[in-house]
Amino acid sequence: EVKLLESGGGLVQPGGSMRLSCAASGFTFTDFYMYWIRQPAGKAPEWLGFIRNKANGYTTEYNPSVKGRFTISRDNTQNMLYLQMNTLRAEDTATYYCARRRELDYWGQGVMVTVSS
Amino acid sequence: DVVMTQTPPSLSVAIGQSVSISCKSSQSLVASDKNTYLNWLLQSPGRSPKRLIYQVSKLDSGVPDRFSGSGSEKDFTLKISRVEAEDLGVYYCLQGTHLPHTFGSGTKLEIK
Repeated sequence: EVKLLESGGGLVQPGGSMRLSCAASGFTFTDFYMYWIRQPAGKAPEWLGFIRNKANGYTTEYNPSVKGRFTISRDNTQNMLYLQMNTLRAEDTATYYCARRRELDYWGQGVMVTVSS
Repeated sequence: DVVMTQTPPSLSVAIGQSVSISCKSSQSLVASDKNTYLNWLLQSPGRSPKRLIYQVSKLDSGVPDRFSGSGSEKDFTLKISRVEAEDLGVYYCLQGTHLPHTFGSGTKLEIK
């Protein structure tokens, strides 16, 4: 059974940093592109970016809205996906999800990030 | 960015009725590999989004065949036949052809 479980959210001050994690299980992690998406309360989701699979060199792509502040990485020995978020702003407040593959066939349960002083 | 215009923003329907949701993209969603990466997702209250349909019309495993997707190029439709109470929530279209991938604004389905 495919499972994705995010962790690491919480309250952070504006200008601060936070790293989110996503534990993956139930599939061959290195075979798949992995994605991060966020959703502010009451709004539509926003695609943040992805990291490619082993066959495509684990390269990354980002939404211009977060490029340069957010970094996606993966630890393939631990089946973990990460989202490093720097210089956080109030508008980064959202629930953050990890998901699998281009067509987002599986999502995690989400983790809340609140940016506030 | 590709803009996904989703209508209507909300629907209120009785059990057993049929509904359609439209999603129009600002660019063709036919990718270089000839696939069209248009998905439909449902976010039930308090839950993560769940994919229902991918590549325009392919139903995910376990999704009732009351759901169907159609369309091409820039114009897509999700149809729900014989709505059931469990269908309530917010439906989103998502294009995965162009970077950045973009979502529609959502259609909230309520049961009368």
